[in-house]
Amino acid sequence: GNSVTQMEGPVTLSEEAFLTINCTYTATGYPSLFWYVQYPGEGLQLLLKATKADDKGSNKGFEATYRKETTSFHLEKGSVQVSDSAVYFCALSSSYNQGGKLIFGQGTELSVKP
Amino acid sequence: KAGVTQTPRYLIKTRGQQVTLSCSPISGHRSVSWYQQTPGQGLQFLFEYFSETQRNKGNFPGRFSGRQFSNSRSEMNVSTLELGDSALYLCASSPVGRRTSYEQYFGPGTRLTVT
Repeated sequence: GNSVTQMEGPVTLSEEAFLTINCTYTATGYPSLFWYVQYPGEGLQLLLKATKADDKGSNKGFEATYRKETTSFHLEKGSVQVSDSAVYFCALSSSYNQGGKLIFGQGTELSVKP
Repeated sequence: KAGVTQTPRYLIKTRGQQVTLSCSPISGHRSVSWYQQTPGQGLQFLFEYFSETQRNKGNFPGRFSGRQFSNSRSEMNVSTLELGDSALYLCASSPVGRRTSYEQYFGPGTRLTVT
């Protein structure tokens, strides 16, 4: 079946450090890929998305590239801020009829220290 | 546009009771999905409704049910509550269509505590 695997957290970085959160997936066909962020006490916010191979999603300084050859969608940011502290989820949606079903990774907690 | 709204935000129930949670999607979104989030199991898909019909279903017992109304608002019901049903229940809506990427927009969630 379809699945998503993320690197385990928590990840602790100093402000202005480079961030990478690894995400790999297993899916049939050509899934759409997403990164969501969850701040304490809140729901999930869509951070970025990519719908086909080699697409790069970007938002608020975060980027991720859809790599079909390595089945990966790693999240990167060049310079993190304290306000980026949150839990990040990688997710996939596998096809038109299954589009309403997102499959999530286990989440990676990021803590950024001043 | 207003975002996805969920009511109530917090709920405390006793084991054996039943509960109904409500979700209003973003205007124009016809697909509504429900998820359960717990520290141990993470985010798990419950079901999806589209045009008042359940289109997808996750691996949850029949105690978990849902419905969608003609205005796309959705409710989920959990009967005979168990302690393990304590979780954050998230609703998400999606602008379903052939040219969308099926991204979902989430509400703030309903925190259910079963005692």
